[in-house]
Amino acid sequence: EPEVTQTPSHQVTQMGQEVILRCVPISNHLYFYWYRQILGQKVEFLVSFYNNEISEKSEIFDDQFSVERPDGSNFTLKIRSTKLEDSAMYFCASQRQSIDEQFFGPGTRLTVL
Amino acid sequence: GENVEQHPSTLSVQEGDSAVIKCTYSDSASNYFPWYKQELGKGPQLIIDIRSNVGEKKDQRIAVTLNKTAKHFSLHITETQPEDSAVYFCAATPGNRDDKIIFGKGTRLHILP
Repeated sequence: EPEVTQTPSHQVTQMGQEVILRCVPISNHLYFYWYRQILGQKVEFLVSFYNNEISEKSEIFDDQFSVERPDGSNFTLKIRSTKLEDSAMYFCASQRQSIDEQFFGPGTRLTVL
Repeated sequence: GENVEQHPSTLSVQEGDSAVIKCTYSDSASNYFPWYKQELGKGPQLIIDIRSNVGEKKDQRIAVTLNKTAKHFSLHITETQPEDSAVYFCAATPGNRDDKIIFGKGTRLHILP
């Protein structure tokens, strides 16, 4: 069964460093998302991406964040200058059509020291 | 914007008994309500969903009910089994969209032997 994959599973970085989290969505999916989950809290929407552009972004998704689909298969989330409060689990999700189920990846645990 | 409240935060039930998790939402225009199960170290996985044109949906031991007037919906798990132990999230999509998902805070379900 096709699945969303994410790398790395765990990323440790120093505050102020840039990180790139990578996702490979399911191949025939057209809609892509990033969510984050701070430890013990709810899953929060960050950004949605369709047709090579951002459809919507939350208040969390400020100028330090960017997304890209560089090669038609990967979908990346970049955090330019990480802060301690960026420590969280980041989930990528993809969806074939906007009315279909969203499939979530296993997540990348980001730890900012 | 949409806000989803979920309770209880923790629920322990004896194996074989039923479990009920309740959620409310704020956006009367929301019309899609998925439920996700999250096991340790994994991303959320859709277990059942309901749209606002139906009041109840059942899939084997899992059922979801929706009261659109009162803006609340519930997950019912019957004949609980040890593998049902997980965190369950209710969610809603704001307005007339199925993309951006707003999650509740989650319910940690423990099935006691």
